[in-house]
Amino acid sequence: QKEVEQDPGPLSVPEGAIVSLNCTYSNSAFQYFMWYRQYSRKGPELLMYTYSSGNKEDGRFTAQVDKSSKYISLFIRDSQPSDSATYLCAMSNAGGTSYGKLTFGQGTILTVHP
Amino acid sequence: GAVVSQHPSRVICKSGTSVKIECRSLDFQATTMFWYRQFPKQSLMLMATSNEGSKATYEQGVEKDKFLINHASLTLSTLTVTSAHPEDSSFYICSARLQGSGANVLTFGAGSRLTVL
Repeated sequence: QKEVEQDPGPLSVPEGAIVSLNCTYSNSAFQYFMWYRQYSRKGPELLMYTYSSGNKEDGRFTAQVDKSSKYISLFIRDSQPSDSATYLCAMSNAGGTSYGKLTFGQGTILTVHP
Repeated sequence: GAVVSQHPSRVICKSGTSVKIECRSLDFQATTMFWYRQFPKQSLMLMATSNEGSKATYEQGVEKDKFLINHASLTLSTLTVTSAHPEDSSFYICSARLQGSGANVLTFGAGSRLTVL
């Protein structure tokens, strides 16, 4: 079993739809939870990060972390064609020997069509 | 915000040659940088941690003699793929810790796509 599971999709939605992306994980030591967006042949771009459980909102994006269920989500409201990309969840421990070591999900390919 | 720059963005080489990839922090000093690798349709995997002024720390299964890392200054880390073979073809991405996050949150470069013929 992988430490982080993410449905690779692909996910196709019409413009304006609400998109829900999810990851589950097995390592209860994870404290930091991140969502990255990666366009084709480019490096990952950080969208949001959350420490421990809770919600965080930034514009059209909302990140949720439920540590009790080991489940994180990213919601995209009013999705746009420019949101079409691969979305990667990533997690890490608090630090120490885990410094800089992110465990990534496989990535979900999202296409928003006009 | 932190900006990480990589060069070259794309490189094609013949089998047996060595290739160097540079990673620079443009507006901040990074005593530590991280090198990740991504195979097609797969996720990113940490290869090694690059430490300024000291030896790199490699993840299990990564050959240190094949992937030479040098962190000669506070703004530059290099990854050299020595005697490259077709199975080394991959997308190599460097990263540094996001300034001010106080956390294990990384900002990534644009990546370097290596194709070994």
